[in-house]
Amino acid sequence: SAVISQKPSRDICQRGTSLTIQCQVDSQVTMMFWYRQQPGQSLTLIATANQGSEATYESGFVIDKFPISRPNLTFSTLTVSNMSPEDSSIYLCSVGLGTGGLDEQFFGPGTRLTVL
Amino acid sequence: RKEVEQDPGPFNVPEGATVAFNCTYSNSASQSFFWYRQDCRKEPKLLMSVYSSGNEDGRFTAQLNRASQYISLLIRDSKLSDSATYLCVVNRGGGADGLTFGKGTHLIIQP
Repeated sequence: SAVISQKPSRDICQRGTSLTIQCQVDSQVTMMFWYRQQPGQSLTLIATANQGSEATYESGFVIDKFPISRPNLTFSTLTVSNMSPEDSSIYLCSVGLGTGGLDEQFFGPGTRLTVL
Repeated sequence: RKEVEQDPGPFNVPEGATVAFNCTYSNSASQSFFWYRQDCRKEPKLLMSVYSSGNEDGRFTAQLNRASQYISLLIRDSKLSDSATYLCVVNRGGGADGLTFGKGTHLIIQP
């Protein structure tokens, strides 16, 4: 596995503002992902963070709302823009470390966001 | 039909008992299958990958039935520390990256 850290671990923000979440991995990884886990729900993939190119977004998520950076193989950021209370959620980054054809993923500790 | 479907529970099980969870998935292109464990207010942690032939890791046994698109997890001799939410997870297949998560089955082991 890998050691994955996220900053901040939690935040309370006012609507209309933006928050940037950082994800740092202790080794170089090709695949990094951002997920959201809304209260009482399971994880939903937001986007795949590609190094050196634009992120690949899932249906229902757009770059203007969730811009992502991936400047190198150990770091990525996710920004939640123009926040509303509906954005209150846990945001998790993950890295893909699959072996033997399996695409196992390991998760950071998450960022708990509350929007007032 | 949901992409990954699980019984949400909760399953209340006495310590030492055997408990089984099931999961069905709808995407026939999925090629990789996993069980993750998520404790309250924590991130999901990989419990085990699920192989076509079935696999065992200590007290945990996972089975895959591709024809029925069905995955199971068996926990023997359950411990209090097994109390958690168990997430059935499949990859999206077809060249798409990322994982699809079930909503989880909540397990409570009672002393």
